[in-house]
Amino acid sequence: GESVGLHLPTLSVQEGDNSIINCAYSNSASDYFIWYKQESGKGPQFIIDIRSNMDKRQGQRVTVLLNKTVKHLSLQIAATQPGDSAVYFCAERQGAQKLVFGQGTRLTINP
Amino acid sequence: DAGVIQSPRHEVTEMGQEVTLRCKPISGHNSLFWYRQTMMRGLELLIYFNNNVPIDDSGMPEDRFSAKMPNASFSTLKIQPSEPRDSAVYFCASNTGLQTDTQYFGPGTRLTVL
Repeated sequence: GESVGLHLPTLSVQEGDNSIINCAYSNSASDYFIWYKQESGKGPQFIIDIRSNMDKRQGQRVTVLLNKTVKHLSLQIAATQPGDSAVYFCAERQGAQKLVFGQGTRLTINP
Repeated sequence: DAGVIQSPRHEVTEMGQEVTLRCKPISGHNSLFWYRQTMMRGLELLIYFNNNVPIDDSGMPEDRFSAKMPNASFSTLKIQPSEPRDSAVYFCASNTGLQTDTQYFGPGTRLTVL
């Protein structure tokens, strides 16, 4: 079956540096993608989304890039802070409401 | 404004016992989702409701699992009988039902079946 996955299970960055978290998807028909952040002991929290008719979308300190040619999604976090430590999931919408989540990438921040 | 509310937050039970997880969606939300999260399988959608009607239950693992939504403000996920492999964190999420609306997750229920 088709699935959403991540290239790296863990990522460690220095505080203040930029972080890039990658995600590969296999369903070329998907038209909507979301990034979620999950802190320890909490539920996933929406960060940013992007529709397939866009290549880039920016939020506050975060940017999502979509490359439909290679079916690749990335989340960029600028000036990473200790509070950014979490597991980050990409999700792909299949059908009207169903989200399929990737396995997640754990981001750790070094002081 | 209260988010999605789940209870209990932690549940420890013995194999064979019935387990009931509860969820109160955000007021005004029309869609409700039940997910299961494990290290091996990640975050999986079990079932979702729209206007209290089950729309997609293809993720429900087997007949031991059942979910109901008797009204717009309450849903339950029941496991009977429970097995050790059901140990996981179960999340409930809700949204307005619009395709572009994000899903808002509750804090989860950590279930341990001994």
